Amino acid sequence: GAVVSQHPSWVICKSGTSVKIECRSLDFQATTMFWYRQFPKQSLMLMATSNEGSKATYEQGVEKDKFLINHASLTLSTLTVTSAHPEDSSFYICSAARDRDSYEQYFGPGTRLTVT
Amino acid sequence: AQSVSQHNHHVILSEAASLELGCNYSYGGTVNLFWYVQYPGQHLQLLLKYFSGDPLVKGIKGFEAEFIKSKFSFNLRKPSVQWSDTAEYFCAVKGGSGGYNKLIFGAGTRLAVHP
Repeated sequence: GAVVSQHPSWVICKSGTSVKIECRSLDFQATTMFWYRQFPKQSLMLMATSNEGSKATYEQGVEKDKFLINHASLTLSTLTVTSAHPEDSSFYICSAARDRDSYEQYFGPGTRLTVT
Repeated sequence: AQSVSQHNHHVILSEAASLELGCNYSYGGTVNLFWYVQYPGQHLQLLLKYFSGDPLVKGIKGFEAEFIKSKFSFNLRKPSVQWSDTAEYFCAVKGGSGGYNKLIFGAGTRLAVHP
């Protein structure tokens, strides 16, 4: 149980375009979902936290107008990178928790974004 | 601000060798500590966690970790590694106030086990 999927697993887009990444909890309902970014050989950096039905909470330094997060249902959260630039190229990972008081997060396999 | 440091970025061992990966965190209050593992091509999985109680925590696949509050450490250990333990290991901490159980990750340690 507690499987999280991400789609797509990798995507290449042109500079200036937008790309949407989906994160789904397949066998449980996730009140809270997290979005992380991982640069090569570096740690996961939390970008934002989203609760179903409410606005996402962004970490300091993360542009909310650039990284749009929608958590419209208990099994789906999306991250849209708007007007992508090459510096947005990274590995994006989501995780899901059953509720906001749950300490355990279940991680998706990640999405590799390359902006050309 | 909270931070997590992992001392070893790359570790190379032979099978049956003992493993210890260092993890130190900076936060003076109550913390919850985690070790995650990421096998090649797979997603992050929880190895073990510490919330309270016995500071020696046992996890899956023979791993254990010891919480030493005075040293702000939570080192991961395994007495005898196997080739299948080749993976990247991340230490993480959740602590302090604030909602949503935010995790702060260390930079990770890449372990290679040679047969």
